[in-house]
Amino acid sequence: TQLLEQSPQFLSIQEGENLTVYCNSSSVFSSLQWYRQEPGEGPVLLVTVVTGGEVKKLKRLTFQFGDARKDSSLHITAAQPGDTGLYLCAGWETSGSRLTFGEGTQLTVNP
Amino acid sequence: GAGVSQSPSNKVTEKGKDVELRCDPISGHTALYWYRQSLGQGLEFLIYFQGNSAPDKSGLPSDRFSAERTGGSVSTLTIQRTQQEDSAVYLCASSFLGGSSYEQYFGPGTRLTVT
Repeated sequence: TQLLEQSPQFLSIQEGENLTVYCNSSSVFSSLQWYRQEPGEGPVLLVTVVTGGEVKKLKRLTFQFGDARKDSSLHITAAQPGDTGLYLCAGWETSGSRLTFGEGTQLTVNP
Repeated sequence: GAGVSQSPSNKVTEKGKDVELRCDPISGHTALYWYRQSLGQGLEFLIYFQGNSAPDKSGLPSDRFSAERTGGSVSTLTIQRTQQEDSAVYLCASSFLGGSSYEQYFGPGTRLTVT
């Protein structure tokens, strides 16, 4: 099984600040996904990145896939309290049959 | 349309008892996944069903865990002789087809507490 390390594990910031969450592995993934999960709910897909070096933007969120397809980052600009949640990265193993999740980053944005 | 549903939403059981967790996937989705999530942590893959193919059981942590999918739709995850370390949220997800090209839709999970 390929492993994903996510950092930081916890992040508490003030409204309006910027932040970056990292997802790293020593293994290559065919694609990588970012999910957001709120208490009592299942994760919801935010984005899928497939190509090494790919950058995708979703409003104030910017996602990047590393050139070697081993790492990814999520950058949030001008965070808002509504961004609070557990952010999970997940990589599809090169065999294509299994999604491996990172440990998650618990983000709290204080008003 | 209806999303993935899971029941029960919460289950408290005594150590040593058996439990059954149910998942109703989105209609028409051929792939179904079970994951386990400890408090505030990432998801641990348990088992994957794709159509009529043999399931990928490689993530099941012990032989106390089993799952079946009847008629290509509803799935049941069974944990026999529950242990305290089995306490977690059990999440089910479905997708139109298996693999990385298709988005997984998650249910709200079943929170299992073994006392």
